[in-house]
Amino acid sequence: GESVGLHLPTLSVQEGDNSIINCAYSNSASDYFIWYKQESGKGPQFIIDIRSNMDKRQGQRVTVLLNKTVKHLSLQIAATQPGDSAVYFCAENILGGYQKVTFGTGTKLQVIP
Amino acid sequence: KAGVTQTPRYLIKTRGQQVTLSCSPISGHRSVSWYQQTPGQGLQFLFEYFSETQRNKGNFPGRFSGRQFSNSRSEMNVSTLELGDSALYLCASSLETPYNEQFFGPGTRLTVL
Repeated sequence: GESVGLHLPTLSVQEGDNSIINCAYSNSASDYFIWYKQESGKGPQFIIDIRSNMDKRQGQRVTVLLNKTVKHLSLQIAATQPGDSAVYFCAENILGGYQKVTFGTGTKLQVIP
Repeated sequence: KAGVTQTPRYLIKTRGQQVTLSCSPISGHRSVSWYQQTPGQGLQFLFEYFSETQRNKGNFPGRFSGRQFSNSRSEMNVSTLELGDSALYLCASSLETPYNEQFFGPGTRLTVL
């Protein structure tokens, strides 16, 4: 498959454990945040989003936490599975009707069976 | 519903040539954004089109251009190719309103020799 990042930070997690992927964003004016998952050879896939008026949002097996004070986002994956192995990106957007998403550098998650 | 499609999937060009990449958004999506993904720079926003108009532009030289047709299909063009233009070019489509999820295509892998 195609490599999406040769110098990405890597998180190795045992199957069944919880994973936490962290992200620092840059623009204090950003008011919408998204986590994407990118598997080898594919485009990014939406996982979960959160608006700046929230500090936590839960999905199926995933939770996103937003700390606007320190401009920090985290993605928690419960009971990590081999299929979760991918590169994860956080992204920030400034609303106004325009899609100009700024992506973080990405974290590679490796799930150890 | 069909996803975002991009053609071609792979392309090899030589320096100085030009290239045109195509993107067909999800039916009903009127916003199309383009991104460049490289191992060194990650995912970088190129531009966004909505209703045939460029609404937003990233920090790329004028050699990178795009357009959108009345059926929302979009093309991007890179003229006078440089080695550093080798990358995965991703297209994403979304509905009109803010907070809407972007759906990515599989990308076009461009190699410049």
